Amino acid sequence: NAGVMQNPRHLVRRRGQEARLRCSPMKGHSHVYWYRQLPEEGLKFMVYLQKENIIDESGMPKERFSAEFPKEGPSILRIQQVVRGDSAAYFCASSHFGQGIGGTEAFFGQGTRLTVV
Amino acid sequence: AQKVTQAQTEISVVEKEDVTLDCVYETRDTTYYLFWYKQPPSGELVFLIRRNSFDEQNEISGRYSWNFQKSTSSFNFTITASQVVDSAVYFCALSGTQGGSEKLVFGKGTKLTVNP
Repeated sequence: NAGVMQNPRHLVRRRGQEARLRCSPMKGHSHVYWYRQLPEEGLKFMVYLQKENIIDESGMPKERFSAEFPKEGPSILRIQQVVRGDSAAYFCASSHFGQGIGGTEAFFGQGTRLTVV
Repeated sequence: AQKVTQAQTEISVVEKEDVTLDCVYETRDTTYYLFWYKQPPSGELVFLIRRNSFDEQNEISGRYSWNFQKSTSSFNFTITASQVVDSAVYFCALSGTQGGSEKLVFGKGTKLTVNP
C-alpha cells in the first residue's frame, strides 16, 4: 500500500484558509476514494471518483468541500474556509476495478493529518 | 442501510495471549465483501484480509485467523500468541453494492494493546 502517495502528511491551516490534499493512486489504478477519520472514530466515506468523473459523493459535506480526479495528475480534495471541526485525518485509497463486486482490495495512502488552528 | 459494529472499544492483553476481535455487520446485499485493516500508532492503514460473502471458509495467515459466520453476520479476527507489535487499532469494514456504490463502511475500531 506504500504505492498510494498522499501529500502533505501534515497540514496546518488557520480558520478561514483553504486546504488542498493530494492523492496519487497506485500505478494503473483509476478508482480513487477519500475517507475522513475524526479523532477516536472510524473512517467515514466521503467521495468516490474515477478519472474525470465523480461517481459517488454521498459522504461529502454540502458546502466548502470538493474533489476532483483529472485526466492527468493526482486527485485533489479541497476544503475551503476551513473550520476547527475539519481537523481530522484524510485518507485516500485507490483500486483497479473498484472495491465492490469483482473488485480488489483498496490500498490506502498514509493519510494527511489536517489541523485547523 | 449498511452497518458494522465493533463492540469492543479497547482490549488489553499480555504478550503471548490469544485475543479475538469481534465484528458484526448488517447489510441487505446478498453479495458483499468484508475487510479487516490494521492502523498502528504511526497512523497508516494496513490491509489484512478481504473476504466475499460466498466464501465462508475460515482463513489462517500465520498468527492471524478469521472466522466468517453468515448465520450470525459476524467476521471475527483472532490473533494467536499476541506480540507487542500487534498493538494497534483494528477496523472491520463492509463493501456492498447498494445503489451501485463501492464504498467501504467501517466500524469504529478496536484498540488492542499488547503488554510485554
